[in-house]
Amino acid sequence: GAVVSQHPSWVICKSGTSVKIECRSLDFQATTMFWYRQFPKQSLMLMATSNEGSKATYEQGVEKDKFLINHASLTLSTLTVTSAHPEDSSFYICSATQGWANNSPLHFGNGTRLTVT
Amino acid sequence: DQQVKQNSPSLSVQEGRISILNCDYTNSMFDYFLWYKKYPAEGPTFLISISSIKDKNEDGRFTVFLNKSAKHLSLHIVPSQPGDSAVYFCAASGTAGTASKLTFGTGTRLQVTL
Repeated sequence: GAVVSQHPSWVICKSGTSVKIECRSLDFQATTMFWYRQFPKQSLMLMATSNEGSKATYEQGVEKDKFLINHASLTLSTLTVTSAHPEDSSFYICSATQGWANNSPLHFGNGTRLTVT
Repeated sequence: DQQVKQNSPSLSVQEGRISILNCDYTNSMFDYFLWYKKYPAEGPTFLISISSIKDKNEDGRFTVFLNKSAKHLSLHIVPSQPGDSAVYFCAASGTAGTASKLTFGTGTRLQVTL
């Protein structure tokens, strides 16, 4: 089946530094990738939608200058948390799909747990 | 504004019995609904989906029921097995291109006991 690899699985960084998270579709070309954030005991909240070769579309309330998304190829999207602060500590998950249709499967990575000290 | 709600944060069911997980939504533009299963430190995995043109979809031990008038859906697992213990998320999407843009509920932790 389709596999989405997310790296790193966990990262600890100091406040003020930047962290890059990679999301790769291993055996399919992902036309669209999505980035989610999940706080403890809360639902997955969509942060942004990323299409290959174009600018990401951010959800309301998500700072695009803080969460930089690059979707340079059909198999790789990156999320960079810039100038991280403790409140950015969360579980970040990417997902990828091959198509636009309602029933296009959405494949999730295993997530990245970010802790900012 | 939580558009997809799972009001039961946890559920415990004995092995072999039926598990019923509930989900309510408020946005009438949603027309496609999915259930995902999630283990700790892993991403969600797709279980089953249903389009708004249907009221029931079945796949093995999993059945999803949709009541559009009540804006309610439920996932039935029968018989429940210990390996079903996980957090279950209900998700919904609308149409118009970005149909895979999902809105998730807060999840229900299912514990299947022996």
